[in-house]
Amino acid sequence: EDQVTQSPEALRLQEGESSSLNCSYTVSGLRGLFWYRQDPGKGPEFLFTLYSAGEEKEKERLKATLTKKESFLHITAPKPEDSATYLCAVLLYSSASKIIFGSGTRLSIRP
Amino acid sequence: GAVVSQHPSWVICKSGTSVKIECRSLDFQATTMFWYRQFPKQSLMLMATSNEGSKATYEQGVEKDKFLINHASLTLSTLTVTSAHPEDSSFYICSAPGPWGYTFGSGTRLTVV
Repeated sequence: EDQVTQSPEALRLQEGESSSLNCSYTVSGLRGLFWYRQDPGKGPEFLFTLYSAGEEKEKERLKATLTKKESFLHITAPKPEDSATYLCAVLLYSSASKIIFGSGTRLSIRP
Repeated sequence: GAVVSQHPSWVICKSGTSVKIECRSLDFQATTMFWYRQFPKQSLMLMATSNEGSKATYEQGVEKDKFLINHASLTLSTLTVTSAHPEDSSFYICSAPGPWGYTFGSGTRLTVV
């Protein structure tokens, strides 16, 4: 069965304290992996798409990386406004365009 | 670009009534729209996939007679929650594959009282 697991479930950091969020996947035929940010009461906001192992993408304080088994979202020197739930999702070759979401990591940055 | 507009953002309805949620793709054509449901502190669960001009495909365990989906045009998909009950209270979100990836609506908070 195709599975996407995110860890940790919740993470509290001090402002400026860098860390990483993990998304591990066990799927048959990865076509792409997405990272989204979701604020309370809002829809997910697109951050990155990764397609192949070794690929990296950056945006401001965020960098996403991909291996054959997992993806990391590195956050460098976070600010309170980075507090949100971060979701990863995978698109499979077999899924007819459906994407499978992980359960998310709730990130809280203390000033 | 690639915006999906979802309305209403929140709605309160009485038990037994029906509620319609609309999602419009504003600057691209969405031949497919995905409908998700999200409970507090949980991830998005796919309910159904709508395709313009054909019947929606529902995920296992989702009642198609309760959650009516219509994809009337290349820019509009609607979800109607029929005979709503308190257990249908949730956050409903639509998403469409766009030119730059999957774009999500802003979500609809449904509360059934």
